[in-house]
Amino acid sequence: EPEVTQTPSHQVTQMGQEVILRCVPISNHLYFYWYRQILGQKVEFLVSFYNNEISEKSEIFDDQFSVERPDGSNFTLKIRSTKLEDSAMYFCASSENTQAFFGQGTRLTVV
Amino acid sequence: DAKTTQPPSMDCAEGRAANLPCNHSTISGNEYVYWYRQIHSQGPQYIIHGLKNNETNEMASLIITEDRKSSTLILPHATLRDTAVYYCIRDDKIIFGKGTRLHILP
Repeated sequence: EPEVTQTPSHQVTQMGQEVILRCVPISNHLYFYWYRQILGQKVEFLVSFYNNEISEKSEIFDDQFSVERPDGSNFTLKIRSTKLEDSAMYFCASSENTQAFFGQGTRLTVV
Repeated sequence: DAKTTQPPSMDCAEGRAANLPCNHSTISGNEYVYWYRQIHSQGPQYIIHGLKNNETNEMASLIITEDRKSSTLILPHATLRDTAVYYCIRDDKIIFGKGTRLHILP
């Protein structure tokens, strides 16, 4: 069964550093998403991406964040100048049109 | 804003049917109802979706009221592995609310 894969599974970074979270969506999917989940809280929408551009973004997705689909297979989330409060699970998802498939997440720890 | 209302938690005995309600009274005519779940800290998992008619797949059944203002997700024979947070989402923008934390009791 096709699946969304995310790397790394866990990343530790120092405050102020830049991180890139990587996702490989399911190959024929057209819609891509990033979510985050702070420990003990709900899953929060960050951004959706379609046709090589951002289609929607939440208030959380400020100038610190950016997304890219650099090579037609990967979908990345870049966080510039990480803050302690960026520590969370980050989930990538992709969909063809209806249901979305989620990856197992990257646990980002900012120290 | 998830635009749906769900009870924060429910218990169900193992082997029994789990019936999870969702209120989406302001749903518009072309908005689907989707259900996802999140087991522990894993990635959310799609369960089922529907528009007007009741739907069934290998995981669950979805019953949508005739006025479409509410729906019920049914897990016919709940197992311990069904312990999770269940999310009812009323359109395809996949905005999660707080969901229902379902505990399956042995």
